[in-house]
Amino acid sequence: NAGVTQTPKFRILKIGQSMTLQCAQDMNHNYMYWYRQDPGMGLKLIYYSVGAGITDKGEVPNGYNVSRSTTEDFPLRLELAAPSQTSVYFCASSYLTEGTEAFFGQGTRLTVV
Amino acid sequence: QKEVEQNSGPLSVPEGAIASLNCTYSDRGSQSFFWYRQYSGKSPELIMFIYSNGDKEDGRFTAQLNKASQYVSLLIRDSQPSDSATYLCASSGTGGFKTIFGAGTRLFVKA
Repeated sequence: NAGVTQTPKFRILKIGQSMTLQCAQDMNHNYMYWYRQDPGMGLKLIYYSVGAGITDKGEVPNGYNVSRSTTEDFPLRLELAAPSQTSVYFCASSYLTEGTEAFFGQGTRLTVV
Repeated sequence: QKEVEQNSGPLSVPEGAIASLNCTYSDRGSQSFFWYRQYSGKSPELIMFIYSNGDKEDGRFTAQLNKASQYVSLLIRDSQPSDSATYLCASSGTGGFKTIFGAGTRLFVKA
């Protein structure tokens, strides 16, 4: 059972470069989320999706974009990478939003230099 | 700004003791509350969730919720070294889409 799979695990970007963080889940979950976690901090919601074709902003969406063309995939796009985007990024999914378990991917550690 | 606040710790307890982790939240509309455990370098995993005032027990873990005081806690009985991790408290409001996480409390259980 793969669960939530994120790629890549690690990436170093130069300032101004762009990249896409991939996220896929095989649990047929409707809800998917992208979080970032800075050192010693909790998780900040970047974007979320309640189903294919539907996305919305979280707490810290600036500098990011998402799309949800299928139930399984929820990629996160970074345009014009900045040092402030150095963080660990987690993708998560859940069947429902309230009171049900969110399953997290293993994370992507991104460094922007 | 809706917030969830936790003492960052570290909280150090001896093996076999009770560890008490606390959390307060600012959004009175919050409906659901979660405790996640995160080992260093790993992703969070759900330990417990609670909706209603009072206590909810699951094995060695007890979650407590007091909505009037906007306070959530997690008790870990018979603490083990394997419980050493960061514990994240989270809340979600009506609709639950925007779950807010606290910064986490680091727990060390000394053998």
